[in-house]
Parts: sequence; C-alpha cells; structure tokens
Amino acid sequence: DTGVSQDPRHKITKRGQNVTFRCDPISEHNRLYWYRQTLGQGPEFLTYFQNEAQLEKSRLLSDRFSAERPKGSFSTLEIQRTEQGDSAMYLCASSLDSSYGYTFGSGTRLTVV
Amino acid sequence: DAKTTQPTSMDCAEGRAANLPCNHSTISGNEYVYWYRQIHSQGPQYIIHGLKNNETNEMASLIITEDRKSSTLILPHATLRDTAVYYCIVNYYSGYSTLTFGKGTMLLVSP
Repeated sequence: DTGVSQDPRHKITKRGQNVTFRCDPISEHNRLYWYRQTLGQGPEFLTYFQNEAQLEKSRLLSDRFSAERPKGSFSTLEIQRTEQGDSAMYLCASSLDSSYGYTFGSGTRLTVV
Repeated sequence: DAKTTQPTSMDCAEGRAANLPCNHSTISGNEYVYWYRQIHSQGPQYIIHGLKNNETNEMASLIITEDRKSSTLILPHATLRDTAVYYCIVNYYSGYSTLTFGKGTMLLVSP
C-alpha cells in the first residue's frame, strides 16, 4: 500500500491550454474524491466517485472541468481552456465505504501563466 | 459552508501539550467531529473523529463537551513536526457525505 498517488506533482501551463491530472487511489478503496485548494484556504470539494459512478459534483466544477474514473480504479481530472483562476493545488483522496477518514494524496499544483 | 469556528493561529512550545479548540454550536445529533491536519505542501491527514465520547488514538485525543457544541484536539507532547494547519470538520458519517473544510488553525510549534 503506497497511499494515494497523484501525477504530476507540478504543472505549469499557458492560459487556454488543456491539462489532465491523474489520481491512483489506495487499491481497495471504492470512493474517490477531488478537492481544490487555493493559497490560504482549506480544500474545496469538487467531485466524488463511488466505484466508477460520479455521484456528486460541486458547483465549483464548471463545464471546463471533467472527471472520470473508468473501471473504478484510477481517476483523471481534466481542465479545458485553463484560466489563471484555475491555479491551485488539486487534491485527490480515497476511502472505503466503512471508513471515517479519507486518505489524501500530496496533490498536483497547477500554475496557469 | 464550514460549520465550525477555529482560531486562525496558535503557538506551542515543543514538548508541551497543544490544545486546539473548535466551536460547532449548530452540530446536529448524528454529526461527527473530525480533525485533519495539513503539513506544508502535503495533502490533509486524518487525525481522529468522535461523536459524543472522548476519543484517543496514537496521534491525539479528542475532547467533546457534553452539549457537543465545542471540542478540543489535544496533542500531548507537541514536536516540531506537528507544525501544520489543523482542520476541525463537522459532518455526518463520511461514507454518506463529503467533508467540507474551513480555514483551520495554523499551529506553530517552536523549540
């Protein structure tokens, strides 16, 4: 068990470009969450999967954002036509149905220039 | 919106107990109190949770008042590595709903 892995750790992109992040949860965890965190703020919920089904999406998840979790394993978060306001840390977490705590990854820091 | 109120920052001397307060006056009967912490440049780390009774694990103790309107996270012997932002979160069992983080308390442990 190597924990929750996120790739890449850092991404710098030009405004208007598309970016995709990957999250590999703990293998037996069926729940997967994406959060976004800006400087000085706590993490903000974006979306949540139970197995391959996307069950909840925040109003923060605009049409430019899309998340997938094919086969209920890893997940990807894509941002199209990035804007400077998308610059943030994107955090992934996973958990079991029966657990109380989430396990977070170290995040992907996105900088849009 | 976060349902908790925490001090923005706190200081603690290394080796002393760190007592982090949290107010959650609108907590409902079946909501839990969760604590997470986030060390710089890392993702949040689960610490402990409780419903009514005080709880203790290898990381910390959680003291919940009888009326459940406030709680205190206790790090019994703080070390420099405990310097982090500590988040108090009130939520239903996390298997049914997602966690909402506030701004937390920045705990600085000094030598």
